[in-house]
Amino acid sequence: AQSVAQPEDQVNVAEGNPLTVKCTYSVSGNPYLFWYVQYPNRGLQFLLKYITGDNLVKGSYGFEAEFNKSQTSFHLKKPSALVSDSALYFCAVRDPYYGGSQGNLIFGKGTKLSVKP
Amino acid sequence: EAGVAQSPRYKIIEKRQSVAFWCNPISGHATLYWYQQILGQGPKLLIQFQNNGVVDDSQLPKDRFSAERLKGVDSTLKIQPAKLEDSAVYLCASSASPGLAYNSPLHFGNGTRLTVT
Repeated sequence: AQSVAQPEDQVNVAEGNPLTVKCTYSVSGNPYLFWYVQYPNRGLQFLLKYITGDNLVKGSYGFEAEFNKSQTSFHLKKPSALVSDSALYFCAVRDPYYGGSQGNLIFGKGTKLSVKP
Repeated sequence: EAGVAQSPRYKIIEKRQSVAFWCNPISGHATLYWYQQILGQGPKLLIQFQNNGVVDDSQLPKDRFSAERLKGVDSTLKIQPAKLEDSAVYLCASSASPGLAYNSPLHFGNGTRLTVT
């Protein structure tokens, strides 16, 4: 069965420092991986995705993520954090070989990122 | 382009009452999803539509939840009767045509926050 783990409930970073939000996954085949961000009282917004190709994926707002197949990880990173990056971040996986719905995303429980000035 | 529209934003009802949520997806998006997001958890898929047909409703509590997308555009999700544990944010999302489903990110509305007392 597909699953996603976000081991940290909260990540605290000082503004200007690099940030990492961790994600590991479990799927039966090659995964399609996504990161979404959720600001208070808003829906989820797409940040970036990995489908195939280069393991380092660049996305919106200066975020990037590194796909590591051997470690089954897809950590979200940003070289220099901003206070405005403070939000809830969700990792999600879609298994294209899963016998269920072709569009279903499995989400992690989320990691709250807090960037202090 | 206009985003996914949802209404109402907030709803408070008593247990055993009924409630309905409305969603209008991005124009041209054939796939529509309803997710339930309980506080502190990631979104969980309730039902997925492809045009006006149901693709996956395996996690929909069918004894109390129902959803329809009669003309393949907007959709309604209904709960009758509501239970305390139904308190959550109900998110609607849409994505591009089936051929691109695996690669396409989901576009989320702002959600409806339901409180059952």
